[in-house]
Amino acid sequence: GAVVSQHPSWVICKSGTSVKIECRSLDFQATTMFWYRQFPKQSLMLMATSNEGSKATYEQGVEKDKFLINHASLTLSTLTVTSAHPEDSSFYICSASRFYTIYFGEGSWLTVV
Amino acid sequence: AQKITQTQPGMFVQEKEAVTLDCTYDTSDPSYGLFWYKQPSSGEMIFLIYQGSYDQQNATEGRYSLNFQKARKSANLVISASQLGDSAMYFCAMREGGYGGSQGNLIFGKGTKLSVKP
Repeated sequence: GAVVSQHPSWVICKSGTSVKIECRSLDFQATTMFWYRQFPKQSLMLMATSNEGSKATYEQGVEKDKFLINHASLTLSTLTVTSAHPEDSSFYICSASRFYTIYFGEGSWLTVV
Repeated sequence: AQKITQTQPGMFVQEKEAVTLDCTYDTSDPSYGLFWYKQPSSGEMIFLIYQGSYDQQNATEGRYSLNFQKARKSANLVISASQLGDSAMYFCAMREGGYGGSQGNLIFGKGTKLSVKP
């Protein structure tokens, strides 16, 4: 069964609005979660590392004010795309570490119109 | 320099045959982990197999095995008895830090698209 759950799977929003994506670790505590973005036919690009109880660590070039990450509990991290624009349309996927393995959520397809 | 190199953008294999997907890596850290993930068209990333840098034996998980050649810094994925459902993108990834790569984020290769022919 799924180890990491991500919601929503699909979301369409209007340009200028914000959208929140949730990532939950199921049956285990994840002090660290990772958020990735994937463009069509490309590999995964790490956006940020989410640490429970502290600020996220963003990769170079990722706007922290645009992609707000909150890791409020040991099982939940959220990514909020603020003031979304069409260029933010992409596939976003989270992951969490359990023992030596990193498990991914189902991913979220975001379309900004 | 790329940390993870997958030189095969696309591969074809006949159903029921075995296929090897290549992956080489570059790290100076003696402790790391190597991973393979399958990504079908739905987008989810499915964990297939893990190999720690200190593991003496090659990892195996059902029809998947990892041919770990440490001196060559290669971690090829072997899929035996291919099935139509194996058609997907396959990503090799590495995690540096902690024992056997137990910490830090994943670094991905560019992926290999596998197509299984009936």
